[in-house]
Amino acid sequence: DIQMTQSPSTLSASVGDRVAITCRASQTISSWLAWYQQKPGKAPKVLIYKASNLESGVPSRFSGSGSGTEFTLTISSLQPDDFATYYCQQYNSYFYTFGQGTKLEIK
Amino acid sequence: QVQLVESGGDVVQPGRSLRLSCVVSGFTFNNYVIHWVRQAPGKGLEWVAVMSYDGSNRYYANSVKGRFTISRDSSKNTLLLQMNSLGVEDTAVYYCAGAETLRAPHRFWGQGTPVTVSS
Repeated sequence: DIQMTQSPSTLSASVGDRVAITCRASQTISSWLAWYQQKPGKAPKVLIYKASNLESGVPSRFSGSGSGTEFTLTISSLQPDDFATYYCQQYNSYFYTFGQGTKLEIK
Repeated sequence: QVQLVESGGDVVQPGRSLRLSCVVSGFTFNNYVIHWVRQAPGKGLEWVAVMSYDGSNRYYANSVKGRFTISRDSSKNTLLLQMNSLGVEDTAVYYCAGAETLRAPHRFWGQGTPVTVSS
């Protein structure tokens, strides 16, 4: 199975900060990567698909980059609503795997 | 409006079985693949299983292979997850999620149904 490793596990930041979360795949997945946001008690919501495509309705401060095995989710200017947990997921293989998550906390 | 509604979650003893349902509305059921994803208390997301449009392809996570079976009843727009030989490690909220193809993100999600395996 393809392993997905996110870093950091926890990130403390302030409103207005620019932050980046990285995701590394154990083998190449081309651009078959999605990023999700999850808030407590809620289902995840897709933000980015195919590594760099912004999902409809998602604010443009979210962006994704990378291909192969290294990927990054960037939030250009944190808003109060962005404090949540973020997951990457590969869908190159039909044994889909998520990263372990990055919790974005208010500093 | 796309809607997925899970049901069937319960408290069960180790070794017992449980069947979860996911009723889909707002999109053509046979045009989407539906996944099951679970989340243990305080933990991250774990993909569980997926079934293709026509049921010809089913894939399972290693952790559930041989114990869980995914199926669909297209006449009722319903996806099912039969879970056998449950263990405490299966305790989680189970979500169903829809995607356009097998190689697409999980775009639509239900609210989840909780499963607790405990003696």
